[in-house]
Amino acid sequence: DVKVTQSSRYLVKRTGEKVFLECVQDMDHENMFWYRQDPGLGLRLIYFSYDVKMKEKGDIPEGYSVSREKKERFSLILESASTNQTSMYLCASSDLPAFTYNSPLHFGNGTRLTVT
Amino acid sequence: AQSVAQPEDQVNVAEGNPLTVKCTYSVSGNPYLFWYVQYPNRGLQFLLKYITGDNLVKGSYGFEAEFNKSQTSFHLKKPSALVSDSALYFCAVRPTGKLIFGQGTTLQVKP
Repeated sequence: DVKVTQSSRYLVKRTGEKVFLECVQDMDHENMFWYRQDPGLGLRLIYFSYDVKMKEKGDIPEGYSVSREKKERFSLILESASTNQTSMYLCASSDLPAFTYNSPLHFGNGTRLTVT
Repeated sequence: AQSVAQPEDQVNVAEGNPLTVKCTYSVSGNPYLFWYVQYPNRGLQFLLKYITGDNLVKGSYGFEAEFNKSQTSFHLKKPSALVSDSALYFCAVRPTGKLIFGQGTTLQVKP
């Protein structure tokens, strides 16, 4: 089974802090994604990556950046955390080229981030 | 704008009864369609997908979904609900590279 592991289950940070959310997948997947999940809004794509050192903006990239130095690891960075970034963050990966549209995503268990 | 709608925030069903979770979409072209389930404190799990072919798609845990092109709908169904099916269900549509998610429907199955 594919395993997508997010390093923290719960995280509490202060406004203005730099925050790193880590995600590792063990199936050699090319594509990795970061979503945030908010009640009533579903999942919204922040950034995705289809190869090492490659990244593409999603629908809501403002206030975030990403890093993919190794194929298995995709990090989400909040440069200066704000209270409106309090949310559930979900990492996902998929095993087919990014524009093969029928591949399902495999999700991690999420990181619930609270910014106070 | 392209969108996915799940018109019910919550669906309540008695155990043993059939269930339907609704999804409609508004996108261009012929998109790929997906259902995911999220159990409490977990990430999303893939249930099933429609690519082409038979309008009735079978997936995991006894779920199936019916694709209706004229109504642009992709409703999730199960003939006999279990209490363990209680979870948050997401419909998703992929017209091009990015997956578009609905807002989610909470399914509550009562014993």
